[in-house]
Amino acid sequence: DQQVKQNSPSLSVQEGRISILNCDYTNSMFDYFLWYKKYPAEGPTFLISISSIKDKNEDGRFTVFLNKSAKHLSLHIVPSQPGDSAVYFCAARAGETSYDKVIFGPGTSLSVIP
Amino acid sequence: GAGVSQTPSNKVTEKGKYVELRCDPISGHTALYWYRQSLGQGPEFLIYFQGTGAADDSGLPNDRFFAVRPEGSVSTLKIQRTERGDSAVYLCASSPGQGETQYFGPGTRLLVL
Repeated sequence: DQQVKQNSPSLSVQEGRISILNCDYTNSMFDYFLWYKKYPAEGPTFLISISSIKDKNEDGRFTVFLNKSAKHLSLHIVPSQPGDSAVYFCAARAGETSYDKVIFGPGTSLSVIP
Repeated sequence: GAGVSQTPSNKVTEKGKYVELRCDPISGHTALYWYRQSLGQGPEFLIYFQGTGAADDSGLPNDRFFAVRPEGSVSTLKIQRTERGDSAVYLCASSPGQGETQYFGPGTRLLVL
């Protein structure tokens, strides 16, 4: 049973618009969440993270929002650029009791159209 | 090196054969992880090393899979009696320590015929 879900396998957005990637989780023990970005033939690269004690974290064009009661988080990219086209993985960690055992979602493939 | 490197980048083998996949972590990183990514899925945790010891190998699917990190740096993932279902991209990551950001290598694409 998937503990981290990304229900949209793909998303297309026009350049300059906002991209919103969604993620849901089932394990209430998760207290730290991460987004990774992956280009073809490369490994995932860390993008942004958020602790469960926060509801928002912003880094440049990237903002992650966390709604703990809904067990939902989202990644906003604004403005979207063609170079943002990649697969985005949502991931979660259960904190100190599970050190670095990171659980990944299946990913959402983002295409930013020039 | 600047990042995590993995060799080979691609490996084709026949069912029943033995394979070894190598990971060179970022210099100085004490933590090392192996993941497996099947088509259309996210990376799936296999094993985590802290230094030379396997701190958690609960993700290894069965006893055909084994990993070592004898000197606390390079790690080798070993798969015995390969099966077609083992075909996947095997990713390695390292981090400076527990709880810190994991840096991934490009992966080894394994195809078992």
